[in-house]
Formats: sequence, structure tokens, C-alpha cells
Amino acid sequence: RKEVEQDPGPFNVPEGATVAFNCTYSNSASQSFFWYRQDCRKEPKLLMSVYSSGNEDGRFTAQLNRASQYISLLIRDSKLSDSATYLCVVNREGSTLGRLYFGRGTQLTVWP
Amino acid sequence: GAGVSQTPSNKVTEKGKYVELRCDPISGHTALYWYRQSLGQGPEFLIYFQGTGAADDSGLPNDRFFAVRPEGSVSTLKIQRTERGDSAVYLCASSFGANTEAFFGQGTRLTVV
Repeated sequence: RKEVEQDPGPFNVPEGATVAFNCTYSNSASQSFFWYRQDCRKEPKLLMSVYSSGNEDGRFTAQLNRASQYISLLIRDSKLSDSATYLCVVNREGSTLGRLYFGRGTQLTVWP
Repeated sequence: GAGVSQTPSNKVTEKGKYVELRCDPISGHTALYWYRQSLGQGPEFLIYFQGTGAADDSGLPNDRFFAVRPEGSVSTLKIQRTERGDSAVYLCASSFGANTEAFFGQGTRLTVV
């Protein structure tokens, strides 16, 4: 089983729509959680960290459910510029400290 | 430099040849990571350095792959006897330490023909 599982999509939504991505992770020792954004043929860039209490950054809301080992990202009022691949990323303590595990990414296209 | 720099940006090599990929991390970042990414997949972990030492090299696929970071800054990923299956984008990232934001370079697109 993969360390991080994501629905690859694609998700195609109109401008202004609300869209949610989900991700599950397999190792309960995972300690840190992130969403990265990757534009076509570009490098991944951090979108936001995910905290246990859930956190919001403008139109983006991230939530973590440790019991279910589940992470989500909600995008409200989608913009054309939100079109990208969204990567779910986890990190865990121990001998592999520092190693980031990436999901395969969820592709989002926002159309006018 | 302002960000993580990787050279070359593109590399085409013949099957069986040796290649070196270079990563220049953000100044002051002690952690350095190598990943590779195939089309339609997320980045796949290769190796992680903390300072000069490889803290975790469990992602290197076989002994044809080797990476060094002799002075704790620049790192070189070395691939011997390249195979067509090695074709991918090789991404380098650096951070101040584990569990902090990792910044990625733009990658080296390796094509083995």
C-alpha cells in the first residue's frame, strides 16, 4: 500500500466553484502534513501546512483527521489561476526523519 | 542565490552513459533532498542529507545511483550505466531542517535514449 493516496482527478470546475480534495496516509507515525501545488512542468511549491486543529489561508482550508488518517483541502471561489496539480505530503519522525512522502497529486482545472 | 538551483535543466544521454546532476541549495539550509518525478506521478524520494551525511538513502533504486554532499552545501546525484527507465525529472529540495518547509529547484529533466 502506498504511503499517501490521492484521487488523481482530474477535477474540472467553473470559476467560483468550491472544490475539495482528499488524501489518506498509511502510517500512523506521520507527524507533519502539507499541501503542495505544482504547475505544469514546474517544481512543487508549498501551498500550506496542515495543523491538527485545521487551518485556513484565504480561500483555502486544510483539515486533518488523525483518527482516520485523512487530510483534506477545500478551495472556495475557485479562480482560473488555481488550475494546477495539488500534492498531499506527509512526513514522519524516527529513522526517516526529514523524508517527505508525496501523493501522486490531484489535477484541478478551473474553466471560465 | 535566492532559490534552489539545479543544473543542467535538461540532459539527454545515451543508454549506458554516466551522468551527474548538480544541486545548489538555499544558503544556510542544512537539509537537502533528492526526488525524481515521472509523468503523472508525485515526486518519489531518493535520498536525504542532513549536513554532509546521508541521513536516509533508502530511496535510491539500486547501486547505479549515488549522491554526495561533501561540504554540506552543493550536492551531486550520480547515475552510472543509465537506463531508459531512469528518464524522469530529478528534483532537489532544501530546508532549514526536518519538518520545515522544503523549497524545490526547477529540476533536471533527464532523458536516456
